Amino acid sequence: AQSVTQLGSHVSVSEGALVLLRCNYSSSVPPYLFWYVQYPNQGLQLLLKYTSAATLVKGINGFEAEFKKSETSFHLTKPSAHMSDAAEYFCAVESGGSNYKLTFGKGTLLTVNP
Amino acid sequence: NAGVTQTPKFQVLKTGQSMTLQCAQDMNHNSMYWYRQDPGMGLRLIYYSASEGTTDKGEVPNGYNVSRLNKREFSLRLESAAPSQTSVYFCASSEGQGYGGEQYFGPGTRLTVT
Repeated sequence: AQSVTQLGSHVSVSEGALVLLRCNYSSSVPPYLFWYVQYPNQGLQLLLKYTSAATLVKGINGFEAEFKKSETSFHLTKPSAHMSDAAEYFCAVESGGSNYKLTFGKGTLLTVNP
Repeated sequence: NAGVTQTPKFQVLKTGQSMTLQCAQDMNHNSMYWYRQDPGMGLRLIYYSASEGTTDKGEVPNGYNVSRLNKREFSLRLESAAPSQTSVYFCASSEGQGYGGEQYFGPGTRLTVT
């Protein structure tokens, strides 16, 4: 079985500060890992994904995430927050045998203060 | 390309009424999914269709039925709506040709059951 835990349902940062959103996963086989972003009243869109190539993955809008197998983590970072980054962020895992199903974390709402 | 489209955008039902949520994709994707999103719960999979002609239950299938009408369309039916089904419903699709593929989401249907 696969599962995802996102630490912190709400993270608040100042504009220009580092963004760190935490995600830990559980999977019995090597996983594929995703970060999705949801802006208010919209559907989800892919931010970045890890598919067993490079462990440091770069995504859209300056975000990146590092896969750490020993820590079963896939934390999302951005060096300098922008007001437009305010949204809800979801970590998700897909593993072999899941028939292409994603399991999502509960989400982290990012607030960016001026 | 329109991507993934959903109708209706909003719906209010009385307890016991039935309705069908429609979803269509124009990306020639094999796999389609229905999720519900509730505050603090993330996205939970209701049903999915790994390929045309197949459907299977997800995490929370009770009270729902689905039909994969053809490769493009995947509908979700509530036979007898209950207040617990008040939620935002998202349809998604993916190529389904291998693991690690992106899921593309529709804009959602906001359903209230009174």
